[in-house]
Amino acid sequence: DADVTQTPRNRITKTGKRIMLECSQTKGHDRMYWYRQDPGLGLRLIYYSFDVKDINKGEISDGYSVSRQAQAKFSLSLESAIPNQTALYFCATSGDFESSYNEQFFGPGTRLTVL
Amino acid sequence: SQQGEEDPQALSIQEGENATMNCSYKTSINNLQWYRQNSGRGLVHLILIRSNEREKHSGRLRVTLDTSKKSSSLLITASRAADTASYFCATDASGGSYIPTFGRGTSLIVHP
Repeated sequence: DADVTQTPRNRITKTGKRIMLECSQTKGHDRMYWYRQDPGLGLRLIYYSFDVKDINKGEISDGYSVSRQAQAKFSLSLESAIPNQTALYFCATSGDFESSYNEQFFGPGTRLTVL
Repeated sequence: SQQGEEDPQALSIQEGENATMNCSYKTSINNLQWYRQNSGRGLVHLILIRSNEREKHSGRLRVTLDTSKKSSSLLITASRAADTASYFCATDASGGSYIPTFGRGTSLIVHP
């Protein structure tokens, strides 16, 4: 089984709808991240969490919110989806800095289309 | 904003040739990582080089780091069609929260 899983893998929705993307991991990592990827722009950080009680905004958090339900689960919500949020979304995890120098492990991605 | 920028944006070579990709960054770093992404899939970690290291090898991969020039290179030797992917560098800025910042990637195509 994959260490980092994302659901759904693909989603098409309409402008104004609320969408939740879910991420689960079995690596036992405390640190979890949400990124979006757009063609030609690489990965941009949306939110990150260093443990269950810690939530931090990333580079492009506007229009998004997150919930860290447990060490293994980190959800990303689009409160009111808009077309420019059409992108490929990745969840990632990492161990603590001392043990892993922050190597990240990525999920397979969720392709979101907002019409 | 991207800390690291890869060059070239796209690279097309024949199987068996070497592929070299470069990454330049702006501020001092703790370490630099290279990742690979097959089309539409999640990124996979390839190699990490620390700021006090100058060269590192892993199989057919060779990474160099020049902190004085704020640059790194990834060399893939004897490339294979299966190496076709996008390659990203990720830098971890000194004094930061140890979160890698990704560049925009180099798209590598290896023709059989």
